[in-house]
Amino acid sequence: TQLLEQSPQFLSIQEGENLTVYCNSSSVFSSLQWYRQEPGEGPVLLVTVVTGGEVKKLKRLTFQFGDARKDSSLHITAAQPGDTGLYLCAGGMSTDKLIFGTGTRLQVFP
Amino acid sequence: DAGVIQSPRHEVTEMGQEVTLRCKPISGHNSLFWYRQTMMRGLELLIYFNNNVPIDDSGMPEDRFSAKMPNASFSTLKIQPSEPRDSAVYFCASSLGQGSVSDEQFFGPGTRLTVL
Repeated sequence: TQLLEQSPQFLSIQEGENLTVYCNSSSVFSSLQWYRQEPGEGPVLLVTVVTGGEVKKLKRLTFQFGDARKDSSLHITAAQPGDTGLYLCAGGMSTDKLIFGTGTRLQVFP
Repeated sequence: DAGVIQSPRHEVTEMGQEVTLRCKPISGHNSLFWYRQTMMRGLELLIYFNNNVPIDDSGMPEDRFSAKMPNASFSTLKIQPSEPRDSAVYFCASSLGQGSVSDEQFFGPGTRLTVL
């Protein structure tokens, strides 16, 4: 069974701090997606990376796919309260199926 | 444009009762997914369909769970009989489903199920 472990599980920080969330697996994925979920809502896609070593930036968020396509990281610069939510990585296989990570719950205090 | 629509948003039922969750995917999407989310187990894929055909149901917990997709615009997830351990938020998601491994999945707002 493929498993995507995220760390840390919980993260509470002050506004303005930087943070990194990690997503690790022993399996190789064809693609890696990051979603953010807010309370009472479904996850919403932030980014998709498909090439080993690929780096994508979305404003203050930087996403990286590991060279071996087994891991990924999400770095947030100068976190804001609006970044609060549950961050989920999801590995794509050869079909439509996604394997979701265990999740990182981020709380940013003003 | 309407996103994925799920109903009901909340369901409270007693153990042993039948529960039916409904989902309308985004028009034009060919793949539909049912997920269950709990604090303990995170977001788990239960089953997914492509062009109305079940492709992978390996995540369905047991025979009490069944899912159907009679047409491209409607799917149901049924639990019969329900048990307290089925309490969770159930999400439906859809994607273009054209074989790309990087397709975005669009999630509905979820159904919060409580089985007493």
